[in-house]
Amino acid sequence: DAKTTQPNSMESNEEEPVHLPCNHSTISGTDYIHWYRQLPSQGPEYVIHGLTSNVNNRMASLAIAEDRKSSTLILHRATLRDAAVYYCILRAGYSGGGADGLTFGKGTHLIIQP
Amino acid sequence: GAGVSQSPRYKVAKRGQDVALRCDPISGHVSLFWYQQALGQGPEFLTYFQNEAQLDKSGLPSDRFFAERPEGSVSTLKIQRTQQEDSAVYLCASSLAPYPRAEAFFGQGTRLTVV
Repeated sequence: DAKTTQPNSMESNEEEPVHLPCNHSTISGTDYIHWYRQLPSQGPEYVIHGLTSNVNNRMASLAIAEDRKSSTLILHRATLRDAAVYYCILRAGYSGGGADGLTFGKGTHLIIQP
Repeated sequence: GAGVSQSPRYKVAKRGQDVALRCDPISGHVSLFWYQQALGQGPEFLTYFQNEAQLDKSGLPSDRFFAERPEGSVSTLKIQRTQQEDSAVYLCASSLAPYPRAEAFFGQGTRLTVV
């Protein structure tokens, strides 16, 4: 499986934008970039995903580099409730019939200061 | 309910005891996944069902772990003769379509402590 690299932790202030980087230099042409986050004592929750173009939804934006070897999750205005572990995950764009599970790494622990 | 439901939320088992963890996925979701999450680590894949068919069990750590989804909805993860290293949070997720890019919805997990 293609691997992703994320910083172990990041810190930001409340109400400021947060940019969470992810490197995925071995990404293949059919891999989608997914982001999930896990709040304390909760299961992971989907944030956003994209293939080539930048994506926006109500939770965040995803900026994908032109060569697709890196991406950035953008939280436009962080709140204390955004404190979580954020996981950047690559998923093949087809059903392999077998290993379709998400491969989580250690993620980035985002700390929000009030 | 609207989300993935797991029960029990917490389970304490004596070493050697058998346990069964239940997952109620979102109604109509075809795909169901089980993950194991050790303290301070990301979730690790255990097994995957598409309807009632177990298509991938490559992540099950030993033959003491067994999962089933007999009618393509509720799933049970069973661990026989529990060991201390089985202590972890067990997460279940479901998704509507059998495509890897489909959004996965996770339950809150079952925290298993083996003493």
